[in-house]
Amino acid sequence: DGGITQSPKYLFRKEGQNVTLSCEQNLNHDAMYWYRQDPGQGLRLIYYSQIVNDFQKGDIAEGYSVSREKKESFPLTVTSAQKNPTAFYLCASSISPGTSGRAEFFGPGTRLTVL
Amino acid sequence: AQSVTQPDIHITVSEGASLELRCNYSYGATPYLFWYVQSPGQGLQLLLKYFSGDTLVQGIKGFEAEFKRSQSSFNLRKPSVHWSDAAEYFCAVAPFTNAGKSTFGDGTTLTVKP
Repeated sequence: DGGITQSPKYLFRKEGQNVTLSCEQNLNHDAMYWYRQDPGQGLRLIYYSQIVNDFQKGDIAEGYSVSREKKESFPLTVTSAQKNPTAFYLCASSISPGTSGRAEFFGPGTRLTVL
Repeated sequence: AQSVTQPDIHITVSEGASLELRCNYSYGATPYLFWYVQSPGQGLQLLLKYFSGDTLVQGIKGFEAEFKRSQSSFNLRKPSVHWSDAAEYFCAVAPFTNAGKSTFGDGTTLTVKP
């Protein structure tokens, strides 16, 4: 079945450490997205990528980095520069932006806790 | 810039009662509009979407939404709520022409009383 996988489901990190969250999709979607979700704040866009080897900052990119070397993969690194990284992270993908019918398909999420 | 407002943070309804969740958006032209549902600790699932045409759209799980351009609204409705509908619901807007990103509302949490 096609879908999006995120791993791990739960992740614990010590302060000052970088950590990488995995996101893989087999939907053949061009676009991929990373969101951060905090209680009562909805979803905030961290980074998005419309095509391989290209990505753009979202609304809260500071302290995060991404890469898009393959169409199916869009890993997110939470760096030590991110001041408050404890949150629920959601990865999503969609068909080519600008085409009709675009909607985002979401992975199950990774809950990151900084100890 | 586009924005989405979901005025109700939390709604409680009795099982079998009707439901309406409100969504207002701000955008300069007709946008793409979406409703998603999220169960605790899970990702979001698309319920329905509006792009053009008929302003009343049908979705999965018996939900529907009506686009009202004059009110900049896209309210979600269900005639009879089931206990399994308890979840958080998000409205989202995306530009019609821009190859870019969606903006999500802050969500409405639905509680269903037996």
